[in-house]
Amino acid sequence: GENVEQHPSTLSVQEGDSAVIKCTYSDSASNYFPWYKQELGKGPQLIIDIRSNVGEKKDQRIAVTLNKTAKHFSLHITETQPEDSAVYFCAASYHDYKLSFGAGTTVTVRA
Amino acid sequence: KAGVTQTPRYLIKTRGQQVTLSCSPISGHRSVSWYQQTPGQGLQFLFEYFSETQRNKGNFPGRFSGRQFSNSRSEMNVSTLELGDSALYLCASSFTGHTEAFFGQGTRLTVV
Repeated sequence: GENVEQHPSTLSVQEGDSAVIKCTYSDSASNYFPWYKQELGKGPQLIIDIRSNVGEKKDQRIAVTLNKTAKHFSLHITETQPEDSAVYFCAASYHDYKLSFGAGTTVTVRA
Repeated sequence: KAGVTQTPRYLIKTRGQQVTLSCSPISGHRSVSWYQQTPGQGLQFLFEYFSETQRNKGNFPGRFSGRQFSNSRSEMNVSTLELGDSALYLCASSFTGHTEAFFGQGTRLTVV
């Protein structure tokens, strides 16, 4: 099955700086890559996603890039704010109706 | 537009008991997936239902089961509870299973 690795496990950044989280996947057939943000006591919230026919996608301060050849994808958050502090999960999926998740990255934005 | 609703939010059960968790998907969504979240194992896929049919199942023992009703609402059941079943159980809904999945707040199950 699909195996998704996520790095780093923790990330501390100064407010206003950028944060980058990287994930690799094992199954070259995977074609859908969402990112979720989970705050304490809440369920994961979809923040951005990308499909395999696209190399980059941006939504305001958040962007995701995908390298199909290397089988890795990354989340970029620019101009970080305290409310960006949360656990972020990457995931990968093929046409099997399930998401395989990375282990998560705890992001702390220092004021 | 209402999000995914899971009930109850919290449950405490004793080993050996069984439990049923409920999930109401976003209106119009026909696919419902269930995930178990623990600190040690992270987010793990349990099963997915579409139009009352299970289309995929994760690597969990047969004590874990689910079903989906004609209105797309879903339930999952865990029988003969073990301490290791303590976890946050999350439900996600999407239109078809191939589209964006939105999660509920989860049910926190504690087995004592």
